[in-house]
Amino acid sequence: NAGVIQTPRHKVTGKGQEATLWCEPISGHSAVFWYRQTIVQGLEFLTYFRNQAPIDDSGMPKERFSAQMPNQSHSTLKIQSTQPQDSAVYLCASSLPQNTLYFGAGTRLSVL
Amino acid sequence: AQSVTQPDARVTVSEGASLQLRCKYSYSGTPYLFWYVQYQRQGLQLLLKYYSGDPVVQGVNGFEAEFSKSDSSFHLRKASVHWSDSAVYFCAASRTGGYKVVFGSGTRLLVSP
Repeated sequence: NAGVIQTPRHKVTGKGQEATLWCEPISGHSAVFWYRQTIVQGLEFLTYFRNQAPIDDSGMPKERFSAQMPNQSHSTLKIQSTQPQDSAVYLCASSLPQNTLYFGAGTRLSVL
Repeated sequence: AQSVTQPDARVTVSEGASLQLRCKYSYSGTPYLFWYVQYQRQGLQLLLKYYSGDPVVQGVNGFEAEFSKSDSSFHLRKASVHWSDSAVYFCAASRTGGYKVVFGSGTRLLVSP
C-alpha cells in the first residue's frame, strides 16, 4: 500500500497560468478530500468526493478552482489563472466512509 | 459554529520531559476527535482517534489523549519526549457520523536536547 500519492510535489507557475494537481487515493477508499494549508489560514477544507461523486465543495473558491474525480483511482484539482494568493500546500486525503483521513505528502504550489 | 482550538502555537520541552498539548473543541454532542502530526515537508499522519468509550486513548509512539466532555477538551500527552517528536501537531474533530474534519491551527513542538 503506497498511501495517498500526490503529484507533483512542487509546482511553480507564473501569475495567470493554470495549475493542475493530481491525487491518487488509497485503493478501496471511497472518500477523497482536498485541503489547502497556509501559514495564515491553517488547514482549510476545499472539497469532498464520495464514490467519485462531488458531495461538498463549500470550501472551494467560486472562481478559478475546480475539482474532478473521473475514476476511483485519481482526482484532480485545477486552478485557472493562478494568483499569488493561491500559493499554498494542497493536501489530498482519502478514507473509508466515516473513518480516518489518510493524507498525501501534498503539493506545494508557488505562484510567482 | 463547529471549531477546534489549540491555544498554544508553539511549545518547547526538553528531551525526556513530559508533554501536554492542549485542544478544545466546540461541537454539539460528542464529536469524533483526532490528533495528527505533520513532520517537515510531509503530509499529516494520524496519531490517535476517539470515537466513544474509554476517555483515554492510546496512539502510536507512546502518545495518548484524554477526552473530557465536561471540559470539551482532548489533550495530547506523552510521558517522555524524544528529539524526533519535534513536529507540528494538529487536533481535529468531525461531527459524529459526518465527513468534514475541522482542524485546529496546530501546535509546533520543539524538543530541545
